[in-house]
Amino acid sequence: DVKVTQSSRYLVKRTGEKVFLECVQDMDHENMFWYRQDPGLGLRLIYFSYDVKMKEKGDIPEGYSVSREKKERFSLILESASTNQTSMYLCASSLTASGYTEAFFGQGTRLTVV
Amino acid sequence: DAKTTQPNSMESNEEEPVHLPCNHSTISGTDYIHWYRQLPSQGPEYVIHGLTSNVNNRMASLAIAEDRKSSTLILHRATLRDAAVYYCILSEDTGNQFYFGTGTSLTVIP
Repeated sequence: DVKVTQSSRYLVKRTGEKVFLECVQDMDHENMFWYRQDPGLGLRLIYFSYDVKMKEKGDIPEGYSVSREKKERFSLILESASTNQTSMYLCASSLTASGYTEAFFGQGTRLTVV
Repeated sequence: DAKTTQPNSMESNEEEPVHLPCNHSTISGTDYIHWYRQLPSQGPEYVIHGLTSNVNNRMASLAIAEDRKSSTLILHRATLRDAAVYYCILSEDTGNQFYFGTGTSLTVIP
């Protein structure tokens, strides 16, 4: 079974801190994604990556950056955390760059910025 | 990016079929229609997808309108474990982006 693992299930950080959210997939998938999920807003795409060192902005990239140094790992970085970044963060991966492939999601990281 | 429209919520009685609708009037010819569901406290999971023809798998069936401007996810016999938020999304042929909306929250009544 494909596994997408997010490093933390729950995280509490202070305003202004630099925050790293880590995601690892074990099936050699090309594409990886970061979403945030907020009540009433559904899932919104922050960034995605279709190859090592490649990244594309999604709908809401402001305040975030990403890093993909290895194929299996995709990191989301909050350069200076703010309270409006309190949210559920979901990582996903998919095999290839084709519309027929499915995405696999991690369990999510609930981040609270105080 | 093409968008989808779904009802916010639906209810179904246990062991009865459920038809979850989705409108996607701006779909392009190469967009795939995907359905995912999210159980409480979990990440979304894949349910089914299709391009033009109706599709069946062990979880559900997907009925796609002839003009592809709408689709329906069919759960043949709802169980309590099917209570979840169901998302209908369009995946571009490049597959590089999955755009989710707010989905339909399905309540299954015992």
